[in-house]
Amino acid sequence: DTGVSQNPRHKITKRGQNVTFRCDPISEHNRLYWYRQTLGQGPEFLTYFQNEAQLEKSRLLSDRFSAERPKGSFSTLEIQRTEQGDSAMYLCASRALISTGTGTYNEQFFGPGTRLTVL
Amino acid sequence: GIQVEQSPPDLILQEGANSTLRCNFSDSVNNLQWFHQNPWGQLINLFYIPSGTKQNGRLSATTVATERYSLLYISSSQTTDSGVYFCAVRGAGSYQLTFGKGTKLSVIP
Repeated sequence: DTGVSQNPRHKITKRGQNVTFRCDPISEHNRLYWYRQTLGQGPEFLTYFQNEAQLEKSRLLSDRFSAERPKGSFSTLEIQRTEQGDSAMYLCASRALISTGTGTYNEQFFGPGTRLTVL
Repeated sequence: GIQVEQSPPDLILQEGANSTLRCNFSDSVNNLQWFHQNPWGQLINLFYIPSGTKQNGRLSATTVATERYSLLYISSSQTTDSGVYFCAVRGAGSYQLTFGKGTKLSVIP
């Protein structure tokens, strides 16, 4: 499978516990994104990596959230002291910058997501 | 930041009917993508279309960048087309995609 993969697919946890999600991007993609989607809404941007460097963080990413991408390959998103409001689908996407004779392509591809439920 | 509005929010179609989904955006964009989110939550890429027109089978899309809108056409709809369709844009100088709230399509037999 050459697509973006995420683990686990589902996570149920109790309020106050820490959780960690993993994303494996498409192998040749050096750009990686995390988004969060709540019920009835479109995905919202959380953070962005170019290789191992975290270049942008949304205001949605409180100090309980931390993301890493060691060695510029897979990425992890950790939520500490989870709250019920953290319940959502967490989506990872990756992108390659492709330049051809007809233009530059910046298409993002998404993984299947991790659905988090905080009880 | 850039604003994205999709219409209609909900659409119910009889199988075989055609439909047009619209996406308006508030500023110039470097990237525009249409996605279909299936019932399991997976976002499936339909089109990468910052400008121009593309077709893929029963689906086609047109983006008029100068007028800041994009249209997704679905012809001869099938029940498997049901789900939520999202438009997402990346503004100039931005890294991330900004999504609309989606159009929920229900195709009934």
